Amino acid sequence: EVQLVESGGDLVEPGRSLRLSCAASGFIFDHYAMHWVRQAPGKGLEWVAGISYNSDRVNYGDSVRGRFTVSRDNAKNSLYLQMNSLRAEDTAVYYCAKHISRYNWNDAWLDAWGQGTLVTVSS
Amino acid sequence: DVQMTQSPSSVSASVGDRVTITCRASQYISSWLAWYQQKPGKAPKLLIYATSTLQSGVPSRFSGGGSGTEFTLTISSLQPEDFAIYFCQESKSIPVTFGGGTKVEIK
Repeated sequence: EVQLVESGGDLVEPGRSLRLSCAASGFIFDHYAMHWVRQAPGKGLEWVAGISYNSDRVNYGDSVRGRFTVSRDNAKNSLYLQMNSLRAEDTAVYYCAKHISRYNWNDAWLDAWGQGTLVTVSS
Repeated sequence: DVQMTQSPSSVSASVGDRVTITCRASQYISSWLAWYQQKPGKAPKLLIYATSTLQSGVPSRFSGGGSGTEFTLTISSLQPEDFAIYFCQESKSIPVTFGGGTKVEIK
């Protein structure tokens, strides 16, 4: 069974940094691209960042580009999101999600999601 | 980036009703369209991808259609467990974009 477990969410002040982690199990982690998607309270879904199976491709949503960095450690079956210069509008539940097909970067259908971790940015 | 517009934003329906949700893309996306279901306090769940391919384990009362810029999700006979929020998502290229969501409520 595929499992994705996010951690690292917290209450932080504007301008500070936070690192999220996602522990993966139940599939061959280094065969799949991975993504971060967030959802502000009561709002819709926003794609944040994605990384290919071997880390040779990364991309970011416009609202986080230059502040957030996605990375992965295939030896540890883990995905990360380093969030710097946090803003109030970054407050959201952050989900990690698995790409549907092996080795693919395109057709980014997300077939497994974690339960999410809450990041609150407030003074 | 591609913008995705869903309609309606909410719909009230009864068990057994047929419900159709529409998603429009701001530019041509071929068949690069998926649908997700989200229940309160839970993560989204992939229902349909590539416009009409049913994800494994998803009931056959769900179906997807369309192409180009206009797409639909149809629930042929609404069941109690289908009351949720539904999101479309385009995947023409990364970054991907989600629609604003459609809440299916009990009438």
